[in-house]
Amino acid sequence: KAGVTQTPRYLIKTRGQQVTLSCSPISGHRSVSWYQQTPGQGLQFLFEYFSETQRNKGNFPGRFSGRQFSNSRSEMNVSTLELGDSALYLCASSTWTGGNEQYFGPGTRLTVT
Amino acid sequence: AQSVTQPDIHITVSEGASLELRCNYSYGATPYLFWYVQSPGQGLQLLLKYFSGDTLVQGIKGFEAEFKRSQSSFNLRKPSVHWSDAAEYFCAVASGGGSYIPTFGRGTSLIVHP
Repeated sequence: KAGVTQTPRYLIKTRGQQVTLSCSPISGHRSVSWYQQTPGQGLQFLFEYFSETQRNKGNFPGRFSGRQFSNSRSEMNVSTLELGDSALYLCASSTWTGGNEQYFGPGTRLTVT
Repeated sequence: AQSVTQPDIHITVSEGASLELRCNYSYGATPYLFWYVQSPGQGLQLLLKYFSGDTLVQGIKGFEAEFKRSQSSFNLRKPSVHWSDAAEYFCAVASGGGSYIPTFGRGTSLIVHP
């Protein structure tokens, strides 16, 4: 069974631009979560989607948004990029919501200049 | 609110030596506990998990962890470390039920000397 895939793997953007990252979960997994990983803050939870509905949201500004499609694929969008948004963005999928173990993709490395 | 503490930022061991990575959590009820490993430039891979039952859980790659409720700990162990185990290790805690926001520790970087 294929693992979680994320595209693109690397991205360079300029301050003020917006970016869309994509995540395809493991087949049969209906929950997709997004995380931001930085050296300073560690792993921080962004949001979780389950059956196309946002189930949980972390403490991030409204510039960070996401959605999930009927095939469970998910996208996250960051508008008006700031230098501090430079990070590794990780997507994780699980079979259902509610504390189950998650399977992570390789991440998208976003650099904002 | 739930929290996770990994007291050791870095740990250095010799290849073949035993390993113990510490993890302490704060959570009111019985938590769901996880250990993940991250190699450079990669995502996180699940090593093992504890939901309930036997407090000693076996994972992949020869790792095990023991849940000790009285100490609020979930330490990761391996009897003999291999050079390929060098990576970042993360402990995580989550609540069960419908509302689930996982909390990760800051990670412990494992360095393995030949």
